[in-house]
Amino acid sequence: DQQVKQNSPSLSVQEGRISILNCDYTNSMFDYFLWYKKYPAEGPTFLISISSIKDKNEDGRFTVFLNKSAKHLSLHIVPSQPGDSAVYFCAASAPGAGSYQLTFGKGTKLSVIP
Amino acid sequence: DAMVIQNPRYQVTQFGKPVTLSCSQTLNHNVMYWYQQKSSQAPKLLFHYYDKDFNNEADTPDNFQSRRPNTSFCFLDIRSPGLGDAAMYLCATSRDRTGRASYEQYFGPGTRLTVT
Repeated sequence: DQQVKQNSPSLSVQEGRISILNCDYTNSMFDYFLWYKKYPAEGPTFLISISSIKDKNEDGRFTVFLNKSAKHLSLHIVPSQPGDSAVYFCAASAPGAGSYQLTFGKGTKLSVIP
Repeated sequence: DAMVIQNPRYQVTQFGKPVTLSCSQTLNHNVMYWYQQKSSQAPKLLFHYYDKDFNNEADTPDNFQSRRPNTSFCFLDIRSPGLGDAAMYLCATSRDRTGRASYEQYFGPGTRLTVT
């Protein structure tokens, strides 16, 4: 039973345009969400996060939006650059005894076309 | 640069032959994790150490063991690898789990295990 779902395995975007990566979750206990970026032959690297008390967090070209009622979050990259081409993982965490545990989605491969 | 290092990057082992993967970190983080990631799948947490306290996920097979001799090093032992254990194994670290920063995990590049 996947608690974090990234339904688009891949996405292609033209350089300079907006990239929107989506993530849905089912566990209403999740209260902290993260996005990781992964290049080939490297481990995932932390990109941006958001707490459930917020609905938006921005860091440079990257913005994460959280819609708690829909159990949906999205990562916006504006403008997209060829160097953004990577696999993006959405991850979520719940408070309590297991708060160290991250539940990951399967990832979305973003290709930014020059 | 502070980092998480995994050796080897690629490991080939025979069916049933024990294998050990290693991870070291220079971040001085007190939590270390091992994940298994199969092709096109989400990383799956196998276990983690909080300092020397070992925490096994409920569905992690007994075939998988771990050791953490000190803060910097953590090992993943697969006692009798099966064909289904072929995967990428990712090591990660984080700071103390009492703070939100603990959710931000720092990953190594992974070890790709092939079982023949």
